[in-house]
Amino acid sequence: EVQLVESGGGLVQPGGSLRLSCAASGFTFSSYWMSWVRQAPGKGLEWVANIKQDGSEKYYVDSVKGRFTISRDNAKNSLYLQMNSLRAEDTAVYYCARDMSWFQHWGQGTLVTVSS
Amino acid sequence: EIVMTQSPATLSVSPGERATLSCRASQSVSSNLAWYQQKPGQAPRLLIYGASTRATGIPARFSGSGSGTEFTLTISSLQSEDFAVYYCQQYNNWPPAFGPGTKVDIK
Repeated sequence: EVQLVESGGGLVQPGGSLRLSCAASGFTFSSYWMSWVRQAPGKGLEWVANIKQDGSEKYYVDSVKGRFTISRDNAKNSLYLQMNSLRAEDTAVYYCARDMSWFQHWGQGTLVTVSS
Repeated sequence: EIVMTQSPATLSVSPGERATLSCRASQSVSSNLAWYQQKPGQAPRLLIYGASTRATGIPARFSGSGSGTEFTLTISSLQSEDFAVYYCQQYNNWPPAFGPGTKVDIK
């Protein structure tokens, strides 16, 4: 069974940093693109970033370019999102998802709240 | 960037009735469209990809159709567990983009 478990969310002040993690199991992690998708409270879904199987290609939505970094460790079956210079508008539940161009499997999400 | 729109914003349906949800893309996305279901407090769940292919384990009452810029998700006979928000997503062009969602609630 495919499982994706996010962690690392919490309350952070504007301008602060946070690192999210996603632990994958039940599939060959190194064979798949992976994505982060976020959902602001009461709002819709927004794709944030994705990363190729070997980490050689990474793409970001314009609003997070230069502030967020996606990475992965295939030996640990883990996906990461380093978030710097956080803003109030980054407040959201962050989901990791197995990326087939469509998002086939999703984690349960981790809440990031940016507030003073 | 492609902009996705969905209509209606809210659809009130009685259990057992048919529900028809629409999704429109600002330019052609061919058949590169997916549908998701999201219940309160839960992660989205993939229903349909390739505009009309049901994902593993999705009941046959869910069907998708369309191509180009106009797409439809049909739920043939609504069950209690189908009341949720439904999102469409295009993956033909970068960046992948979601529609704003259609909430299906009980009439």
